[in-house]
This record gives sequence, structure tokens and C-alpha cells, in this order.
Amino acid sequence: DAKTTQPNSMESNEEEPVHLPCNHSTISGTDYIHWYRQLPSQGPEYVIHGLTSNVNNRMASLAIAEDRKSSTLILHRATLRDAAVYYCILRDSSNFGNEKLTFGTGTRLTIIP
Amino acid sequence: EAGVAQSPRYKIIEKRQSVAFWCNPISGHATLYWYQQILGQGPKLLIQFQNNGVVDDSQLPKDRFSAERLKGVDSTLKIQPAKLEDSAVYLCASSHNRGRRVQYFGPGTRLLVL
Repeated sequence: DAKTTQPNSMESNEEEPVHLPCNHSTISGTDYIHWYRQLPSQGPEYVIHGLTSNVNNRMASLAIAEDRKSSTLILHRATLRDAAVYYCILRDSSNFGNEKLTFGTGTRLTIIP
Repeated sequence: EAGVAQSPRYKIIEKRQSVAFWCNPISGHATLYWYQQILGQGPKLLIQFQNNGVVDDSQLPKDRFSAERLKGVDSTLKIQPAKLEDSAVYLCASSHNRGRRVQYFGPGTRLLVL
């Protein structure tokens, strides 16, 4: 499975934007970039995903580098409820029916009031 | 829409005992996953079902772990006998087998083996 590299931890002030980086230099053409987050004492939840173009949804934005070797999850205005571990995951879409998620250790985001 | 349900939420057992976890996926989701999450690590896939068939169980320790999904809906994961290193959170997730294939996770069962 293609690997991702994320910082272990980040801090951000409340109500400011947060940029969470992810490196995936060995990404293949069929890999989608997925982001999940895990709030304390909960199961992970889906945030956003993309292939080549930048993506926006109600939770966040995903900026993907032109060479696809890195991406950035953007939380436009962080709140205390965004404090969580954020996982960047490559999901191979070519193996239809077995598109498993391989989690790393993620980035622990702390929001400072 | 009801989420993924899991029970029990917490379980404490002694080593060499047996334990079972139950999962009820979101209605209509054909794919069901069991993950193990050890403290400080990301979740690790143990087994994936498509309806009632196994798609991937390559990381399931089959000498002690077993899982079934009878009738393609609910699933149970069993550990027999448990070891100290099995202390972890066991997460169940489900997804559609079409479209974005987003995985929806339950709250997990926290297992402590003494």
C-alpha cells in the first residue's frame, strides 16, 4: 500500500484557518486521497476525498498538488470541536470491492481557545 | 439515518478468557469492516465482508480471532483465548458497495485484557 507522511501534531488558534499537510510521494494514478478524522473516544469519520482537482465540502477543503505527491486539508475556521486526530489515507480504486483504508498514526490537532 | 451500532461499549476480561463483539451496520450497506485500534495507533483492518462473504482477512490472527456475518447484516467478532496484547478498541464500519464508498464507523468496543 502507498504510504503517507504527516506531522505527529499541530496546534492552531480557535477561529483561524488550519492547514494540515500530507506527503504521498509514491502515489499511483488510481489512488484517491482520503481524509478521515477521529474525535476523542469516537470512531473515525469521513472528512473529504479527491483524485486530482481541489475539492470543497461543508467540513473542509482539500488542495492537491499538481504532481499529486502532496496534499493539504484546510479547515477554514477552526473550532474547539475540530480537535481530533486527522488521517490522510491513499485508497486504491483499481481493486474494486477491496478498497481498504490503511491508517497511519495521523496528525493530532489541538485547538487553542 | 441510524449509524453503526456496536455492543458492548466496554469489556474487561482476564487472559485466556473468550469475548465476543457485535456490530449492526447501517441499513443497506453491503460491506462491513472490523478494525483493531491499539492505543496511540491508527485503526488496523482485521476483516472485510461483502454481504456475507469474506473479501479480506489477511490481517486477522486466525488462531484466536474469528468473525462471521450471517445473512449479510449483523456481524460478530470473537477472540478465544484472549491475550494481553489484544487490549484495544475494536471498531466496526460499513459502506455502500457503490458510489463514494465512504466508511461509516461505530463508536467501538474498548477491550481490556488483564
